[in-house]
Amino acid sequence: DSGVTQTPKHLITATGQRVTLRCSPRSGDLSVYWYQQSLDQGLQFLIQYYNGEERAKGNILERFSAQQFPDLHSELNLSSLELGDSALYFCASTLSGTATEAFFGQGTRLTVV
Amino acid sequence: ILNVEQSPQSLHVQEGDSTNFTCSFPSSNFYALHWYRWETAKSPEALFVMTLNGDEKKKGRISATLNTKEGYSYLYIKGSQPEDSATYLCAFVRAGNMLTFGGGTRLMVKP
Repeated sequence: DSGVTQTPKHLITATGQRVTLRCSPRSGDLSVYWYQQSLDQGLQFLIQYYNGEERAKGNILERFSAQQFPDLHSELNLSSLELGDSALYFCASTLSGTATEAFFGQGTRLTVV
Repeated sequence: ILNVEQSPQSLHVQEGDSTNFTCSFPSSNFYALHWYRWETAKSPEALFVMTLNGDEKKKGRISATLNTKEGYSYLYIKGSQPEDSATYLCAFVRAGNMLTFGGGTRLMVKP
């Protein structure tokens, strides 16, 4: 158990809908990362938060947004869903900067039908 | 966009073979290099975090070296076992920046 909790584990939704994925980092970790893994692709960085503030942004679509709350949990919002958004979404957390290892949640499998 | 490349993309070896893969990353503003092991249906788990040029780390039959000046890291597996079958990811960290993952090397060890 990495200590990082992601919910839900599985999500099936229709095109055009909006979903929210939730991540609770390890106790004490300030930094949260979101990654997307599409079929046969590697881990694509979406966005990073550090202590409530956005730190870095990757290839995140405008239809996607995220935030980190005062209790350090994070939510990734995906709207106007398309079939191509079907993927495994991972959240990872680190203690502070990135010289410490990242701990990953089990991922949320999103299927858009 | 940071370019982190891993080679080979996939590798099939026989049980008992030793193997190694490469992670190439930008040599400027280096902060850290991570290696992760990612088994199917699980989430990635850290193997090593390396920060100093010349670093060598070892965990059981797996070891890694780091050359920050030329921008590469090697991961070695000695005497591969079927349970070593996984995707091995490296992640480069530039000072003050996020983890940028390479595409991974998928290792399959045949009994």
